[in-house]
Amino acid sequence: DAKTTQPPSMDCAEGRAANLPCNHSTISGNEYVYWYRQIHSQGPQYIIHGLKNNETNEMASLIITEDRKSSTLILPHATLRDTAVYYCIVALGNAGNMLTFGGGTRLMVKP
Amino acid sequence: DTAVSQTPKYLVTQMGNDKSIKCEQNLGHDTMYWYKQDSKKFLKIMFSYNNKELIINETVPNRFSPKSPDKAHLNLHINSLELGDSAVYFCASSPRLGVQPQHFGDGTRLSIL
Repeated sequence: DAKTTQPPSMDCAEGRAANLPCNHSTISGNEYVYWYRQIHSQGPQYIIHGLKNNETNEMASLIITEDRKSSTLILPHATLRDTAVYYCIVALGNAGNMLTFGGGTRLMVKP
Repeated sequence: DTAVSQTPKYLVTQMGNDKSIKCEQNLGHDTMYWYKQDSKKFLKIMFSYNNKELIINETVPNRFSPKSPDKAHLNLHINSLELGDSAVYFCASSPRLGVQPQHFGDGTRLSIL
């Protein structure tokens, strides 16, 4: 069973920030939130992950609510190349290899 | 250089045949995986290998057998192919068991006629 809930699709204008929400209300204290994306005809690509604190890297920012029941992935300046399916995954840190991918959010970046 | 490479990219074959998909990673990772993505686009883990030992085996038919000749390779053998085996199969690797991120290959699209 999926541990996360994401909207099936979203649109974003090129150059604007894309904010992708994820609900994980049953997350346990030692589970991390991981984000991957899959561009058409390619394998999934790791984006970012976090436990409690907000995280930022060269690709995106991850905002995790204080109660950890939801998070938001932010692509600060979306480009057409960011069009992809984005997966939010909850998994144990020491068993992070057991990634279970749900349906994800199909993000369409439009010119 | 491609970090995780799979061959072939496309595989079309008939029901009942036996086929193999190869995977190689040049990242020096200890752990490798096989995932299956079905027509509904759900990705499900099939196997993972750590230091040449199978450590995860989900509810996958025993017609599927992973084989790892060395740490850099994890091949997938499928016997007696069935129509339901049609899918895209992804290989992945990670530095160690439980350590992210996982690096994925670009997949092998298997079509059973």
